[in-house]
Amino acid sequence: EVQLVESGGGLVKPGGSLRLSCAASGFTFSYYTMNWVRQAPGKGLEWVSSISTGSSYTYYADSVKGRFTISRDNAKNSLYLQMSSLRAEDTAVYYCASQDYSNDFPHWGQGALVTVSS
Amino acid sequence: QTVVTQEPSFSVSPGGTVTLTCGLSSGSVSSSYYPTWCQQTPGQAPRTLIYNTNTRSSGVPDRFSGSILGNKAALTITGAQADDESDYYCVLYMGGGIWMFGGGTKLTVL
Repeated sequence: EVQLVESGGGLVKPGGSLRLSCAASGFTFSYYTMNWVRQAPGKGLEWVSSISTGSSYTYYADSVKGRFTISRDNAKNSLYLQMSSLRAEDTAVYYCASQDYSNDFPHWGQGALVTVSS
Repeated sequence: QTVVTQEPSFSVSPGGTVTLTCGLSSGSVSSSYYPTWCQQTPGQAPRTLIYNTNTRSSGVPDRFSGSILGNKAALTITGAQADDESDYYCVLYMGGGIWMFGGGTKLTVL
């Protein structure tokens, strides 16, 4: 069974840092580009970041560039998002999603809630 | 800043056909944007329905179809069912590794 399981969410103060993890199973993780997508409470989806299969290429939305860092460990079948200088507007459910070579996004996690509040 | 546009809401009768669209605030959507459509029911994770304009993701019933209509990408649901009542998001590849979601369309089946 394919699974993507996010962890590491929680409450953090503005200006703080948090690291999200996404554990993959049931598919060949190293074959897929991986993405983070977020959804603020009551709002739509927002693409956040992606990383290529071998970590050579990383991309970020302007809203998080310079503050968030995406990484992966193919040996551990894991994806990460290091978030720093967090703002209230970063409050959202963060989903990890796989992306195959044909640009299908076949697998999505259930999400991790990050709340930035004092 | 280019924005991906979608109808905020739409309604369809059970058994009916509905077409949702995905445009750009500046310019036309073509297959070069690799239009992708995702479905999300409240409290659930998104699910990919269509990618690369018109290819159904695994397990997606053939009553969901994608196309380019004029200057927009389109998602057509034929024979709408009650459990199609969801939010539908398009996402476009903007180049340079960047993807951009539309604001989503809330579809009501009634």
